[in-house]
Amino acid sequence: QKEVEQDPGPLSVPEGAIVSLNCTYSNSAFQYFMWYRQYSRKGPELLMYTYSSGNKEDGRFTAQVDKSSKYISLFIRDSQPSDSATYLCAMRGYSSASKIIFGSGTRLSIRP
Amino acid sequence: DAGVIQSPRHEVTEMGQEVTLRCKPISGHDYLFWYRQTMMRGLELLIYFNNNVPIDDSGMPEDRFSAKMPNASFSTLKIQPSEPRDSAVYFCASSHGQGRANEKLFFGSGTQLSVL
Repeated sequence: QKEVEQDPGPLSVPEGAIVSLNCTYSNSAFQYFMWYRQYSRKGPELLMYTYSSGNKEDGRFTAQVDKSSKYISLFIRDSQPSDSATYLCAMRGYSSASKIIFGSGTRLSIRP
Repeated sequence: DAGVIQSPRHEVTEMGQEVTLRCKPISGHDYLFWYRQTMMRGLELLIYFNNNVPIDDSGMPEDRFSAKMPNASFSTLKIQPSEPRDSAVYFCASSHGQGRANEKLFFGSGTQLSVL
């Protein structure tokens, strides 16, 4: 079993829809949770990060962490065609020396 | 800053040949990471350096893979001999590791490696 599980998609939604992307994990030592966005033929770029449980909002994006369920989510409101990309969840333990483990990514397409 | 710079952008080689991938991290970043991305396995960490010193190379798949960081502004990942199963996109990333900043990885655009 992988430490981090993510549905690969693809996920296709119409412009303006609310998008929900999710990951589950098995390692209870994970404390930092990140979402990276990767456009085609580019490297991933950090979108949001949160520490421990709770919500964090940044514009149209909301990251949610439920440590009791080992489940994290990224919500995109008012989705735009420019949001079409692969979204990778990532997480690591408390120590700055702990490795960042990535999910396999969910491919998202927003239809105009 | 130009960001993390990787070269070459694409590499096509024949099985058995030596391949060298290059990376220039962002100036001032003290962590450097090499990742490999495939459809089957996703993004896998191969090795990472802190202040030019290799810290964890447990992700390096075999002895055919080696990585060096001779100075703070340059790193190489070498595959010798290359095999078709090494075909993947190889990413270099850097970060500034103080405090909680280590999760903010800055990735290069990657090297698409095809081994025929």
